Amino acid sequence: DQQVKQNSPSLSVQEGRISILNCDYTNSMFDYFLWYKKYPAEGPTFLISISSIKDKNEDGRFTVFLNKSAKHLSLHIVPSQPGDSAVYFCAARSGSARQLTFGSGTQLTVLP
Amino acid sequence: SQTIHQWPATLVQPVGSPLSLECTVEGTSNPNLYWYRQAAGRGLQLLFYSVGIGQISSEVPQNLSASRPQDRQFILSSKKLLLSDSGFYLCAWSPKFRNQPQHFGDGTRLSIL
Repeated sequence: DQQVKQNSPSLSVQEGRISILNCDYTNSMFDYFLWYKKYPAEGPTFLISISSIKDKNEDGRFTVFLNKSAKHLSLHIVPSQPGDSAVYFCAARSGSARQLTFGSGTQLTVLP
Repeated sequence: SQTIHQWPATLVQPVGSPLSLECTVEGTSNPNLYWYRQAAGRGLQLLFYSVGIGQISSEVPQNLSASRPQDRQFILSSKKLLLSDSGFYLCAWSPKFRNQPQHFGDGTRLSIL
């Protein structure tokens, strides 16, 4: 049972344009959401997070949007840069649970 | 700043051999520590977490064990590896405050022959 789903395994975007990565979840108890970026042969690197009391959080070129009614999360990267090319994972956690539940990832390729 | 170190980066072990993977965190004290595994084609699964020295919680029954002998050291062990133990093992740490991200090491790729 996949509680966190990233339905697009890959996404290609032109440099300078907006990248939009999507994530859906099924567990209504999730109240904290995160995005990680992963390069090959490295561990995931934390990018940005949002708690369920907010619907938007922004950090530089990265903005995360949360739509609780739709159980949908998205990451916007503007403008996209070639160095953003990586696998992006969304993750979620409920209450005081230790476990982060990860999606399966989306490979973002930013074309120069 | 905080850093997390995990070694070795890759390991090839025969079935039935013992295992010891080590993880250390620098630049913080009293962190929560975690061991995750990613099996081929699957997501990250939490194996163990620790809130303090000698305090280990197991999330899934398995062939592995964990120990925390020092505040910033977390060790994943096995007495006898199985083929099913192959995978990518990640250590992570987080501050104790609510709604704080977990920060991951670079992982160990474990292959069992």
